[in-house]
Amino acid sequence: DAKTTQPPSMDCAEGRAANLPCNHSTISGNEYVYWYRQIHSQGPQYIIHGLKNNETNEMASLIITEDRKSSTLILPHATLRDTAVYYCRRYYGNNRLAFGKGNQVVVIP
Amino acid sequence: NAGVTQTPKFQVLKTGQSMTLQCAQDMNHNSMYWYRQDPGMGLRLIYYSASEGTTDKGEVPNGYNVSRLNKREFSLRLESAAPSQTSVYFCASSGPERTGIALKGNTIYFGEGSWLTVV
Repeated sequence: DAKTTQPPSMDCAEGRAANLPCNHSTISGNEYVYWYRQIHSQGPQYIIHGLKNNETNEMASLIITEDRKSSTLILPHATLRDTAVYYCRRYYGNNRLAFGKGNQVVVIP
Repeated sequence: NAGVTQTPKFQVLKTGQSMTLQCAQDMNHNSMYWYRQDPGMGLRLIYYSASEGTTDKGEVPNGYNVSRLNKREFSLRLESAAPSQTSVYFCASSGPERTGIALKGNTIYFGEGSWLTVV
């Protein structure tokens, strides 16, 4: 039970912003939202995480709703190399929660 | 700083053979994990270790044993391999990260994967 809900797949256009949604309606106040991605045949890679405030780093931006029940990962200018499975996870206290099946994102030229 | 290193990268076993997957991390993390990944199934946790000397079962522990040899190393053993254990195996580690006194979170760092085929 990953305790988050993501669409199974989505396409996005190269060069455009990709907005990846995640629902975590039962999240508690101290739980972080983490995003990872897995490019084919590689180990998953950390992207970004947040608690309440929006976050941005060199890879992506994370927008968390005010009620914290959902979040959106934004890849500002999607490239073909962003094609991957994206995982949204919750963390507080331990990392034993399942990863789930993630969102297969395909960037189309 | 190599991160998480796992060996071997590829292995073919015959049914009934045994083998050990090795994993080491150099980030001084307390927690370590073994996952398997099968097509359409996502990442499933086999075993984890919250600290040196402790191990606990994850979602799919049957057919596997683990050893947390020290803080750096966490091995996964298949005592009698079965075709159902054909999979990609990922080792991972995590540790609390802080900015000053503030707890930032707990990022998981993964190895590159071990492709195991049991025939």
